Amino acid sequence: GESVGLHLPTLSVQEGDNSIINCAYSNSASDYFIWYKQESGKGPQFIIDIRSNMDKRQGQRVTVLLNKTVKHLSLQIAATQPGDSAVYFCAENPTGGFKTIFGAGTRLFVKA
Amino acid sequence: DAMVIQNPRYQVTQFGKPVTLSCSQTLNHNVMYWYQQKSSQAPKLLFHYYDKDFNNEADTPDNFQSRRPNTSFCFLDIRSPGLGDAAMYLCATSRGSIGYNEQFFGPGTRLTVL
Repeated sequence: GESVGLHLPTLSVQEGDNSIINCAYSNSASDYFIWYKQESGKGPQFIIDIRSNMDKRQGQRVTVLLNKTVKHLSLQIAATQPGDSAVYFCAENPTGGFKTIFGAGTRLFVKA
Repeated sequence: DAMVIQNPRYQVTQFGKPVTLSCSQTLNHNVMYWYQQKSSQAPKLLFHYYDKDFNNEADTPDNFQSRRPNTSFCFLDIRSPGLGDAAMYLCATSRGSIGYNEQFFGPGTRLTVL
């Protein structure tokens, strides 16, 4: 079946350090992946996406890496700030249609 | 600012009493989604509209219905809420004719069932 999961439920980092959040997916036919950030009491917010024909994509302070061989996705946050504290979800779009499957989420704590 | 608005932010209902949650958008997106998110869990897609075309997920209970009277508004109706329906309900939108577009989420409505 389809599933998107995360290796770690929580991650604690020091302010200024880099953060890496990992995600595994099981559907090898998936061709579109998204990272969302959800702060307490708010809806998820789009961070960055990547298509399966790419293995890396960079945004402002964030980088997404895709390894299709091992079906692994990661989100790297550079110079992590207190405002980055949130739950991060990877999400998978297996068909190019409108169904998005969210992973379990990783809570990121940033220590000042 | 263009946005997705959900009302109310908090809704309390009684077991078995029908309840309607509202979503509106100023983004003029043609796709609207409803998700259920229980505590410390990922959002789970209930259904979506592509324009007026309704698409129900196979595992969405019949207790959950939706209406989209126009592009801007979409409603989630829970006909007979049970205790297990207590959750955050998220509305989202996206544009375009394929699914490779980011979704814009509203702040959610937290539903409590007494």
